[in-house]
Amino acid sequence: NAGVMQNPRHLVRRRGQEARLRCSPMKGHSHVYWYRQLPEEGLKFMVYLQKENIIDESGMPKERFSAEFPKEGPSILRIQQVVRGDSAAYFCASSPGQGALEGYTFGSGTRLTVV
Amino acid sequence: SQQGEEDPQALSIQEGENATMNCSYKTSINNLQWYRQNSGRGLVHLILIRSNEREKHSGRLRVTLDTSKKSSSLLITASRAADTASYFCATDTNAGKSTFGDGTTLTVKP
Repeated sequence: NAGVMQNPRHLVRRRGQEARLRCSPMKGHSHVYWYRQLPEEGLKFMVYLQKENIIDESGMPKERFSAEFPKEGPSILRIQQVVRGDSAAYFCASSPGQGALEGYTFGSGTRLTVV
Repeated sequence: SQQGEEDPQALSIQEGENATMNCSYKTSINNLQWYRQNSGRGLVHLILIRSNEREKHSGRLRVTLDTSKKSSSLLITASRAADTASYFCATDTNAGKSTFGDGTTLTVKP
């Protein structure tokens, strides 16, 4: 049973380009959470999605960032017109229901570098 | 401000010693979780303690929760060099998402 799969592991983008980060939750998990981690800091919540629905996007910047979790396929975190400040590690977690019922399962993250 | 805040920020001990990390939070919670993160890697879930529990053990890990003081501690006994990592607490409320602190960086010297 594969865990949470994130790809790519590393992504380099030039300023102004778009970044697409993918997250496939664990089998049987329909709840996905995206977090961002800056160097030497903890994880900051971005968005919580259930299949085809955004439940909580209170941590998402109002501009350039969007997320989706379609009926089929992985969850996508999309960052348009990236800037240097978007450089960070982006982690996805999944759970079978709302909240960390038994603790989240995290993916290995996507490390985005904007040059 | 952070819902969960770990203390100390950094801890350095010798192999074989015990390591204690603390976490404080501000609002009522459903549960509290502890995670470990090795440098450059993802988070690994260690232990979850529910709001009606006071203490939980898992191998060399012991977690306590004091809801009256809104605090938790993680004790790692007989530490090993492989325990070197950052440790984060996260609190879960009715909102469905967890809020993480900035972590404690533990260094265990051989």
